[in-house]
Amino acid sequence: DQQVKQNSPSLSVQEGRISILNCDYTNSMFDYFLWYKKYPAEGPTFLISISSIKDKNEDGRFTVFLNKSAKHLSLHIVPSQPGDSAVYFCAASHSGNTGKLIFGQGTTLQVKP
Amino acid sequence: GAVVSQHPSWVICKSGTSVKIECRSLDFQATTMFWYRQFPKQSLMLMATSNEGSKATYEQGVEKDKFLINHASLTLSTLTVTSAHPEDSSFYICSARVKGEWADTQYFGPGTRLTVL
Repeated sequence: DQQVKQNSPSLSVQEGRISILNCDYTNSMFDYFLWYKKYPAEGPTFLISISSIKDKNEDGRFTVFLNKSAKHLSLHIVPSQPGDSAVYFCAASHSGNTGKLIFGQGTTLQVKP
Repeated sequence: GAVVSQHPSWVICKSGTSVKIECRSLDFQATTMFWYRQFPKQSLMLMATSNEGSKATYEQGVEKDKFLINHASLTLSTLTVTSAHPEDSSFYICSARVKGEWADTQYFGPGTRLTVL
């Protein structure tokens, strides 16, 4: 049972435009969500997170939106840069779960110059 | 920021041998570390939770006698793949948990590529 889903395996965006990566979850117990960026043969790099008490969190070019009723979150990157090309994973946890993260399948973002 | 290192970054071994992978938190203490593996073009799969000073907690389907985890200090956890076989070839990644205001964030090491011949 895939509790965290990223239904788009890939996304291609032109440099300077907005990249929107989506993530859906099924477990209503999740109360903390994170986005990680990963290059091949490297570990994931933490980008941004959001608690379930918020619906938006912004950090520079990255903004995460959370829609609890729809069990959906999205990561917006504006403006997109070629260096943003990587695999993006969303992850979720709940406070009663010893900090374990459940990861989505990942979305490969390609930003074209 | 929280930096996590892994050693080695890659290792090639013969079938039947054991391989130890180290995970260190460099600028903070981590009472909890996690071990993941990733197959090509797949997501990260949690193998076990490593708690300092106590036994690791393994996820369902992960053989604890095959993947030995030791968390002897607040900055070091090790994963030993015992009697490795080609099907154990994978990318192993560790993470360390950092407590935050609202929840905990995991910071990941760079990963270790294991190839078993």
